[in-house]
Amino acid sequence: DAKTTQPNSMESNEEEPVHLPCNHSTISGTDYIHWYRQLPSQGPEYVIHGLTSNVNNRMASLAIAEDRKSSTLILHRATLRDAAVYYCILRGLGGSNYKLTFGKGTLLTVNP
Amino acid sequence: SAVISQKPSRDICQRGTSLTIQCQVDSQVTMMFWYRQQPGQSLTLIATANQGSEATYESGFVIDKFPISRPNLTFSTLTVSNMSPEDSSIYLCSGRSGTNEKLFFGSGTQLSVL
Repeated sequence: DAKTTQPNSMESNEEEPVHLPCNHSTISGTDYIHWYRQLPSQGPEYVIHGLTSNVNNRMASLAIAEDRKSSTLILHRATLRDAAVYYCILRGLGGSNYKLTFGKGTLLTVNP
Repeated sequence: SAVISQKPSRDICQRGTSLTIQCQVDSQVTMMFWYRQQPGQSLTLIATANQGSEATYESGFVIDKFPISRPNLTFSTLTVSNMSPEDSSIYLCSGRSGTNEKLFFGSGTQLSVL
């Protein structure tokens, strides 16, 4: 599986935008980019995913570099509830072999 | 979005015993997975639970230690057998609906082995 690299931790202030980076230089042309987050004492929660184009949903935006070797998860206005570990994951298209391999993620702290 | 319920939410067990964790989904899912999250660590995939057939285990996990059942499209169980303190972890069930890219997770089972 192609690997991702994320900063161990990041800090933000409430109501400010947050840009969470992810490097995936060995990404293949058919790998989806997934983002999940895990709030304290909860299971992971899907945030967003994309393939080539930037994506927006009610939770966040995903900006994908033109060469697809990196991506950025954007939280437009951080709230205290966004404090979580954010995981960037590549999901390869291998026939019916769907599985998500979690890395260490980025611990996001949001300051009031 | 599918809702996944796990039981029990937590348990404290004695070494040498076994615990079966149940995972119930409120709608049919095509794929179900079991993950382990050791204290302070990320998630590790244990196996893919296959309906009506043996689960597909990841490297480092074996059926004798983690037998898995999946009798239908909404239910699965994971048994942690012959437990030791090293098995103390959070065990998480997840599911995928159809060909949707999203994976849904239960809130996990916190297991402590004494």
